Amino acid sequence: QVQLVESGGGVVQPGRSLRLSCAASGFTFSRYGMHWVRQAPGKGLEWVAVTSFDGENRFYAESVKGRVTISRDNTKRILYLQMNSLRDDDTGVYYCAKESSGWYGYFDYWGQGTQVTVSS
Amino acid sequence: EVVLTQSPGTLSLSPGESATLSCWASQSVRDNHLAWYQQKPGQAPRLLIYGASSRATGIPDRFSGSGSGTDFTLTISRLEPEDSAMYYCQHYANSPRTFGQGTKVEIK
Repeated sequence: QVQLVESGGGVVQPGRSLRLSCAASGFTFSRYGMHWVRQAPGKGLEWVAVTSFDGENRFYAESVKGRVTISRDNTKRILYLQMNSLRDDDTGVYYCAKESSGWYGYFDYWGQGTQVTVSS
Repeated sequence: EVVLTQSPGTLSLSPGESATLSCWASQSVRDNHLAWYQQKPGQAPRLLIYGASSRATGIPDRFSGSGSGTDFTLTISRLEPEDSAMYYCQHYANSPRTFGQGTKVEIK
């Protein structure tokens, strides 16, 4: 069965960096686009970033562009989100999600999320 | 960027009633690439509907999606207590893959 397990969250001071990971299993990781979606406390879902199945195409939300890098290691079956210059409003639960296809698909599986708290 | 607006913000209904949730897009959603997700407190979102009207695997037929272009609807028939949750629409026609702000469904 498909499993997505996020890790790497924690409490970090403003301006610092954090790298999130999402370990995938139960499907051919290298064939599917992958996303990060976040949710601030008590708020709705915010799409953050996407990488195509081969990592060649990446897009970011305006709110994180220039501070965040999405990447993937298809050999290790891991998705990453490198977050730099963290701000208070980056606080929230970060989910990785599998796309239903290699590109422009719906999100058919989600991880359980990892909590990121940016606070001094 | 496609902006999705959901209505109403909150829906409070009794078991057995039907819920109608709306999602309006600021521009036409290519190929009706519109999905609906359910999220319960403390849980990850779960896919309900894709392609505007196709039910995901394991989703009861009480959930149905309709619409095209800029106007989309999620209907939940014969509400059950377990349907109490937040519901989000999302487009996946291009990037950014925006979400609506959500509709909260409460079961009295």
